[in-house]
Amino acid sequence: DIQMTQSPSTLSASVGDRVTITCRASQSIRYWLAWYQQKSGKAPKLLIYKASTLESGVPSRFSGSGFATEFTLTISSLQPDDFATYYCQHYDTFPLTFGGGTKVEIK
Amino acid sequence: EVNLVESGGDLVQPGGSLRLSCAASGFMFTTYSMHWVRQAPGKGLEWLSYISSASNIIYYADSVKGRFTVSRDNAKNSLYLQMNSLRDEDTAVYYCARQYDTSSVSNWFDPWGQGTLVTVSS
Repeated sequence: DIQMTQSPSTLSASVGDRVTITCRASQSIRYWLAWYQQKSGKAPKLLIYKASTLESGVPSRFSGSGFATEFTLTISSLQPDDFATYYCQHYDTFPLTFGGGTKVEIK
Repeated sequence: EVNLVESGGDLVQPGGSLRLSCAASGFMFTTYSMHWVRQAPGKGLEWLSYISSASNIIYYADSVKGRFTVSRDNAKNSLYLQMNSLRDEDTAVYYCARQYDTSSVSNWFDPWGQGTLVTVSS
C-alpha cells in the first residue's frame, strides 16, 4: 500500500502569511493527488486534483504542485476562512490513502 | 443540485451489525462510481470502499475487508454499507462520496455527504 505523509501536522500562521504544506508518497504516484480542506464538524471539500488543477470555485490563492513522490499545497495569502485542516489523498492505485492531515491554526 | 445524504448511523454493541445508506440526487447515479470514507473522532480520513457504477468492481481497505460489504441499487439511486462484526475502533463518522467524474481514473471525491455517526460501544 502507498503511504502518504503530510508535514507539518500543525501550522500556526497569521492572516496574510504564505503557507506551504508538504505531502510525500512512499512510492511514485505520478500526479494522481488531490487536496481537501475540512472545517470542524463538516465534510471535506475538494480543493485541487491531478496535483495542480484547481477545482472550480476554489480561490486562486490556493495552488498545488509536485510529481511522483513530493507534493505541496500553497496558500499565497492566508485568509480567515482558510483556518482548517488540510488532507492530501493519492488515487494512483487501490487502496486509496490519505495523509494524516495538517491543521492550520491562528498564530 | 448534486446531493448525498447518509443515514443509518447508530449506537451498536461490539460484534453487532449496522447498515448505512446513502441517497443520491441531482446527478445520473447509474454512471458514477462511489466510495465510503470514515473519520474516527479527532482523527484523519480513512478510505474504506469503492464500488463501480455497475457493481462489477469492488475494493476494500484491509481494515474492513471480510467484515464490511458495499452495494448499490441504481434503481433507487442508493449506496449501502453493510457492517458486520463491529469493533470499538469502527467508531467514526461515515461519509459516502462520489467519484469526481465518470472517468475510470477519477478516484478523488466530490461531492461528499454530510456523514453519519456510528458508535460501537457496550
